[in-house]
Amino acid sequence: AQTVTQSQPEMSVQEAETVTLSCTYDTSESNYYLFWYKQPPSRQMILVIRQEAYKQQNATENRFSVNFQKAAKSFSLKISDSQLGDTAMYFCAYTKETSGSRLTFGEGTQLTVNP
Amino acid sequence: GAGVSQSPSNKVTEKGKDVELRCDPISGHTALYWYRQRLGQGLEFLIYFQGNSAPDKSGLPSDRFSAERTGESVSTLTIQRTQQEDSAVYLCASSLELAGVYTGELFFGEGSRLTVL
Repeated sequence: AQTVTQSQPEMSVQEAETVTLSCTYDTSESNYYLFWYKQPPSRQMILVIRQEAYKQQNATENRFSVNFQKAAKSFSLKISDSQLGDTAMYFCAYTKETSGSRLTFGEGTQLTVNP
Repeated sequence: GAGVSQSPSNKVTEKGKDVELRCDPISGHTALYWYRQRLGQGLEFLIYFQGNSAPDKSGLPSDRFSAERTGESVSTLTIQRTQQEDSAVYLCASSLELAGVYTGELFFGEGSRLTVL
């Protein structure tokens, strides 16, 4: 069974600084997708960034980037120039590459950006 | 609608009562998921619908939980004889899953917060 582990229950960062959230996963698949989702206090989960396992290049979306280490099964999220609106729960998620493969989520990391 | 819509947003009920939670997915999305999120925890898979295929019910925690979906539209999650441990946020998500077009991305609603007294 696939598992996703986020070892940092809580993190904080000063506004404008950089923070990295950790995620490791376990799978025997060679092709899969990894995601970071953000859940602000409004509760709605929002996709932050997506990585396809067959791509060696790390995904980036504006201030968000990942460090994908396939051999180590590690998928960390870096947030640059942190903003107050980045305060949220962040979930790492995994799914196999085939349709109908449900997402497996980590336990989440609560990130607080301080002014 | 533009996004996934869930109702009610909040529901308080007494132990032993039945509750129904509704999810209206993004129009055209073939797949629909229900997840449960207990306070401060991650998402627990409950059930998955894809088109006209038999649903994947493997995540339902007990026979008190059931869900239905009408075609590729609205879904209802029903919890019978609610217990205090059922208190959680129930999240619905939809996605477009067609042969050759699968990104794995889910679009979530804002959830229904259930409190069982």
